[in-house]
Amino acid sequence: DAGVIQSPRHEVTEMGQEVTLRCKPISGHNSLFWYRQTMMRGLELLIYFNNNVPIDDSGMPEDRFSAKMPNASFSTLKIQPSEPRDSAVYFCASSPAGGGLAGVGDTQYFGPGTRLTVL
Amino acid sequence: DAKTTQPTSMDCAEGRAANLPCNHSTISGNEYVYWYRQIHSQGPQYIIHGLKNNETNEMASLIITEDRKSSTLILPHATLRDTAVYYCIVKRNTGKLIFGQGTTLQVKP
Repeated sequence: DAGVIQSPRHEVTEMGQEVTLRCKPISGHNSLFWYRQTMMRGLELLIYFNNNVPIDDSGMPEDRFSAKMPNASFSTLKIQPSEPRDSAVYFCASSPAGGGLAGVGDTQYFGPGTRLTVL
Repeated sequence: DAKTTQPTSMDCAEGRAANLPCNHSTISGNEYVYWYRQIHSQGPQYIIHGLKNNETNEMASLIITEDRKSSTLILPHATLRDTAVYYCIVKRNTGKLIFGQGTTLQVKP
């Protein structure tokens, strides 16, 4: 199993540019999660999908951020326009079970992350 | 939502058992205890999880107290490669994993 795949691994861009981060979850997994990690705020959940449908986007910082999951094998996180404070490592994770089921324990498997630097 | 409390940092000698404590006194009956770790510059890695009973896998053991208000992750024979930040997380019913600051474990030769 290839695990969760993220691209690019590193991205350097200038303020105001559009940035698109990509994620391929583990085949057969039903849930997909986007996280952001910074020194100041630690690891934060931005949004998660279940069966390609966004379930909770309360962690998305503002309208400049958007996420899509057009099919079960692909998701994007877009920042437009990007700002220096968006610099962080962005992780994608997937899990086999559906979120929101009380009492269900499901394991999230994380990708290697995309290190984004906005100048 | 149940919150967890972990020591900020711990040291462990290589080859010894590493015992990482976690307090989760407000855990509810259907919430699981999860442990993840993050080695520098990598994505978090799942270690183990449990509900009520003690659990063991190839990586670690998880001991949960009878009242479920605390737990301990045990790495039986720590190696230098186990140096990482270890996160104890109580999984909410909504499916979210909420990461705290974790415990930085330094395994020393």
